[in-house]
Amino acid sequence: GDSVTQMEGPVTLSEEAFLTINCTYTATGYPSLFWYVQYPGEGLQLLLKATKADDKGSNKGFEATYRKETTSFHLEKGSVQVSDSAVYFCALWMDSSYKLIFGSGTRLLVRP
Amino acid sequence: DAGVTQSPTHLIKTRGQQVTLRCSPKSGHDTVSWYQQALGQGPQFIFQYYEEEERQRGNFPDRFSGHQFPNYSSELNVNALLLGDSALYLCASSPLGRDTGELFFGEGSRLTVL
Repeated sequence: GDSVTQMEGPVTLSEEAFLTINCTYTATGYPSLFWYVQYPGEGLQLLLKATKADDKGSNKGFEATYRKETTSFHLEKGSVQVSDSAVYFCALWMDSSYKLIFGSGTRLLVRP
Repeated sequence: DAGVTQSPTHLIKTRGQQVTLRCSPKSGHDTVSWYQQALGQGPQFIFQYYEEEERQRGNFPDRFSGHQFPNYSSELNVNALLLGDSALYLCASSPLGRDTGELFFGEGSRLTVL
């Protein structure tokens, strides 16, 4: 079945470091891909998305490119801040499935 | 504009009991989905309600049931609770007629089963 695999955490970085969180997927069709973020004490919220191959999603300095050839959607940010500390979830959505399939999440901790 | 609201925020039950969790979707949203998030894991889809009907169901036993009301709010019921049902239960809503994966989540109801 369809699935998402993302790198295990925690990922600990110093402020202003470069961030990459790897995400790969398995799907029988052509999914839309998402990154959701869960800040401490808050609900899950959409960070960015891409709906077709080669699309780049971006928001708040984060970027991810939909790579069909490698079935990947890695999350990157050039310079992380302490406020980026959160759990990041990669997810896929198949049309007419009515459900998001999430990876297991990657905790990011940014130190001052 | 209120977002997705869930109640209660925390609750403790014992094995074998039953629980009801409640969700009010974001204003203007008509579709409600429920997810279970075990500690340290990603959310797992339980089911989705649209027009007061269960439209899609994940791999959860019949002990998990739900309901959607005419005002689009929803309930999740879990019968015969097991220790393994301890988790954060998330409600998510999406806008009228738009099934795109862009979901708005509540903060969740944390259920502990002793």
